[in-house]
Amino acid sequence: GESVGLHLPTLSVQEGDNSIINCAYSNSASDYFIWYKQESGKGPQFIIDIRSNMDKRQGQRVTVLLNKTVKHLSLQIAATQPGDSAVYFCAENRQGGSEKLVFGKGTKLTVNP
Amino acid sequence: DAGITQSPRHKVTETGTPVTLRCHQTENHRYMYWYRQDPGHGLRLIHYSYGVKDTDKGEVSDGYSVSRSKTEDFLLTLESATSSQTSVYFCASGPSQNTEAFFGQGTRLTVV
Repeated sequence: GESVGLHLPTLSVQEGDNSIINCAYSNSASDYFIWYKQESGKGPQFIIDIRSNMDKRQGQRVTVLLNKTVKHLSLQIAATQPGDSAVYFCAENRQGGSEKLVFGKGTKLTVNP
Repeated sequence: DAGITQSPRHKVTETGTPVTLRCHQTENHRYMYWYRQDPGHGLRLIHYSYGVKDTDKGEVSDGYSVSRSKTEDFLLTLESATSSQTSVYFCASGPSQNTEAFFGQGTRLTVV
């Protein structure tokens, strides 16, 4: 559901569950995508990236899936922990003129112990 | 963490005054970015740079200017601050457009 005030999509999960955070992007020419994690009072921190010639990429406890047909990106976090509570942003390297990194609005993940 | 620092970290200024925020990186990154972050809007790109003296506008560039006279420094200037520019400002840098960008800790600017 949506959090009143922040207008951020929110996701609440129980500790140990898997989390899936979704993101839609707009530019079919975008060729590079990044997921960032932002904890309260800090700058965004890189989690994982994926290039447009891939459909899936795995890191430690995280997996990013890219569906270019519907311009959709997802971040899967396995065995979610309280330390995963943060706002998660997807970013796309948007082409067209000079390339630039453009962010989505973010999803707030809350992990309940 | 990549060597990227923002100064000041906090600033309160009056409407109509000029303000300059500084971003300094020690990674010799070619690309640098300025974003603002507001509730409900996420991170919005103000301006970015793809080399010394090479800059371009982002999606919310009105009321802001930037300068990049050296690889390591990217300055954001509000010529005449307005209350709508109260926000948290983040700087980022990266080696190319197709790699991750590293973020600073942010500058909280309040225009009263």
